[in-house]
Amino acid sequence: ETGVTQTPRHLVMGMTNKKSLKCEQHLGHNAMYWYKQSAKKPLELMFVYSLEERVENNSVPSRFSPECPNSSHLFLHLHTLQPEDSALYLCASSLASGGRTQETQYFGPGTRLLVL
Amino acid sequence: LAKTTQPISMDSYEGQEVNITCSHNNIATNDYITWYQQFPSQGPRFIIQGYKTKVTNEVASLFIPADRKSSTLSLPRVSLSDTAVYYCLVGATDKLIFGTGTRLQVFP
Repeated sequence: ETGVTQTPRHLVMGMTNKKSLKCEQHLGHNAMYWYKQSAKKPLELMFVYSLEERVENNSVPSRFSPECPNSSHLFLHLHTLQPEDSALYLCASSLASGGRTQETQYFGPGTRLLVL
Repeated sequence: LAKTTQPISMDSYEGQEVNITCSHNNIATNDYITWYQQFPSQGPRFIIQGYKTKVTNEVASLFIPADRKSSTLSLPRVSLSDTAVYYCLVGATDKLIFGTGTRLQVFP
């Protein structure tokens, strides 16, 4: 248990569906992240939020829409996804997002997404 | 952004010491070096972090030479449960690049 929870743990959706992934951290951190991990590929950083403001967006398609209503919650809204979007989606948090020190990231268990 | 290079895979036996080396030739002055462990279908887990020389915790040791262009993660007396992918990371927290990591397989 890392203090970062994600729901749902598994999700199957059609290409026309709209769904949302939820992440919650109980660590008092100020930065949260979304990563995507496809089969046999490295983790890809998708979005970074610091103090509820988006500070990084690594050219992610608009069918992925993040939302950070407060420093403890992070959502990833999904719509009209493609089969190649099937992957493990990981949420992480850290005390801060930058500065001189590399902050330790605490990862959730992930949501395994399958797009049919 | 500092890029890292690690061996793709390593094999070991229970009870042995495992050393995984990572190259980061263009590491910046302010960059720390961090290692994470990932089991299948789980998120990565922090193992150890260092800036220079040697760092040791209850899980591992991290050796960093003076030029900081490489680092070595040392796992003492591995067990079957240490079978995982190990990632070496350098750089700012909001710009971390996870490479392919090193897949460690521990045999009985």
